[in-house]
Amino acid sequence: EDQVTQSPEALRLQEGESSSLNCSYTVSGLRGLFWYRQDPGKGPEFLFTLYSAGEEKEKERLKATLTKKESFLHITAPKPEDSATYLCAVRVSGYALNFGKGTSLLVTP
Amino acid sequence: KAGVTQTPRYLIKTRGQQVTLSCSPISGHRSVSWYQQTPGQGLQFLFEYFSETQRNKGNFPGRFSGRQFSNSRSEMNVSTLELGDSALYLCASRGGGLQETQYFGPGTRLLVL
Repeated sequence: EDQVTQSPEALRLQEGESSSLNCSYTVSGLRGLFWYRQDPGKGPEFLFTLYSAGEEKEKERLKATLTKKESFLHITAPKPEDSATYLCAVRVSGYALNFGKGTSLLVTP
Repeated sequence: KAGVTQTPRYLIKTRGQQVTLSCSPISGHRSVSWYQQTPGQGLQFLFEYFSETQRNKGNFPGRFSGRQFSNSRSEMNVSTLELGDSALYLCASRGGGLQETQYFGPGTRLLVL
């Protein structure tokens, strides 16, 4: 069965303290791994799609990487506005996404 | 370009009632998917519609149904509501074809009493 596990569940960082979020997956044939950001009371906001091991994508302070078993979302010198829940998902049958439970990130000044 | 819109944003119902939620996708997008988000289960796929046809369905009971209109707008219906149906219901639109990125709306918060 396809599974997506994110760790840690929650992370608290000081502003400027870099860290990484982990998303491990077990799927029979990866057809895309997606990262989203969700703010309280809002829908998920698309960040990145990765398809093959070794692929990397960057956007501002965020960088997503992919191996054959996991993906990392690296946050460099985070700011308080980066506080949100970060969701990882894999594409399963058709275009359905199977989501992890997310990592709740809090960045304090 | 306007994003995905969902109505209503908040809804309170009682057990046994039914509810209909509405979703308007991004202009030009032909695929609409629905997801249920709860604190315990996270985001779970309900179903996807493309060109008025259900293309995929998640593991939810038959009380959950949907449809899509010719203008790509979609509705989701839940009959005989249960307390456990309290959740944030999210709609996501996709361009269709090989365009696979899904863009989410703000969701409808449903509370079943």
